[in-house]
Amino acid sequence: GAVVSQHPSWVICKSGTSVKIECRSLDFQATTMFWYRQFPKQSLMLMATSNEGSKATYEQGVEKDKFLINHASLTLSTLTVTSAHPEDSSFYICSAREGGGTGELFFGEGSRLTVL
Amino acid sequence: DAKTTQPPSMDCAEGRAANLPCNHSTISGNEYVYWYRQIHSQGPQYIIHGLKNNETNEMASLIITEDRKSSTLILPHATLRDTAVYYCIVRATNYGQNFVFGPGTRLSVLP
Repeated sequence: GAVVSQHPSWVICKSGTSVKIECRSLDFQATTMFWYRQFPKQSLMLMATSNEGSKATYEQGVEKDKFLINHASLTLSTLTVTSAHPEDSSFYICSAREGGGTGELFFGEGSRLTVL
Repeated sequence: DAKTTQPPSMDCAEGRAANLPCNHSTISGNEYVYWYRQIHSQGPQYIIHGLKNNETNEMASLIITEDRKSSTLILPHATLRDTAVYYCIVRATNYGQNFVFGPGTRLSVLP
């Protein structure tokens, strides 16, 4: 199946700093990517839909000024957590759909953010 | 909200078949049934999907009832590495539509 890669796989940062997470579709083009967040012992929650060449669509309750999403090319979307706080510590997962397929989404390995 | 209902947890003996049920009584005609699993601290892994016919691949089989209101994922010979949370998701194939994850079923394969 198609491959989606995230980087970094884990990051530790100080409170108040910003962290960027990259999501790449390695062998296909993805005009749409999705960003999820997962807290311990909980399911994945959609944060935003990332559209290539246009503004991301955020889910209710997700601050767009705090979680900046950029989808500058058909193979790369980035999520920047600005002014991170300990409550932002979570597992962030991206996914992408291979165009022309029957709709299955392929997920990255996830990025674990710990804010001290 | 997720459109599916799954038992929160199940156990299965190693080497035996694991049968994971999913109810999706409000499924629409254009919605597929997808199964993913998530091993601890990893991203979800695609397993299988289907519309109305039963499907089989190298990982699992998917049995969908004739009325499409429920389905069963079958892992024919479960191994310890199949221990994971299994998510059943219904979704139309509209381009850009996201997947809504419910709590899933935590499958524990026991030695």
